[in-house]
Amino acid sequence: AQKVTQAQTEISVVEKEDVTLDCVYETRDTTYYLFWYKQPPSGELVFLIRRNSFDEQNEISGRYSWNFQKSTSSFNFTITASQVVDSAVYFCALRRSFGNEKLTFGTGTRLTIIP
Amino acid sequence: NAGVTQTPKFQVLKTGQSMTLQCAQDMNHNSMYWYRQDPGMGLRLIYYSASEGTTDKGEVPNGYNVSRLNKREFSLRLESAAPSQTSVYFCASLFSGVGQPQHFGDGTRLSIL
Repeated sequence: AQKVTQAQTEISVVEKEDVTLDCVYETRDTTYYLFWYKQPPSGELVFLIRRNSFDEQNEISGRYSWNFQKSTSSFNFTITASQVVDSAVYFCALRRSFGNEKLTFGTGTRLTIIP
Repeated sequence: NAGVTQTPKFQVLKTGQSMTLQCAQDMNHNSMYWYRQDPGMGLRLIYYSASEGTTDKGEVPNGYNVSRLNKREFSLRLESAAPSQTSVYFCASLFSGVGQPQHFGDGTRLSIL
């Protein structure tokens, strides 16, 4: 069975601070995909990134960066110089690379950026 | 660009009433999904449809039925609503087999009194 753990239920940081959201996953598959989604207060789910299990390179997109470590089954998300607009619930999710492709979500981390 | 459209956005029902949540996508995706989101539990899969004409149970299917009406539309039905089905429901779609992310609708907030 697949499982995603986001141990940080809520995080609050002051604006401009850096913050890292943790994600640990479990799977027996040798190939899989990992995702991060953002859910702002308006409620929709916004796709942020997809990572293939074959690709362990870290990725940076503006103030966002992702650290994928297969050895520790972790896929952590860092926001640099946080802004109030980053306040949201962030979900990490896991999906098999074959079969029904359903997503297994973590329970989410609620991030609050204090101005 | 409509993407995935869910209707209605909000609904209040009484226990025992029935209701159908509608979902339509205009991206020619073959796979469609229904999830529910409850506080502190993330999103859980209710049902999915890998292609037109097929449906399968997910993690929490009890109390729900689905219909894949055609390639575009995937509806979720509550035959006899219960307070435990109070939740936010998300529909998603995907062009399967190429590793693309699922595209989500904006959700339906459903309250059962």
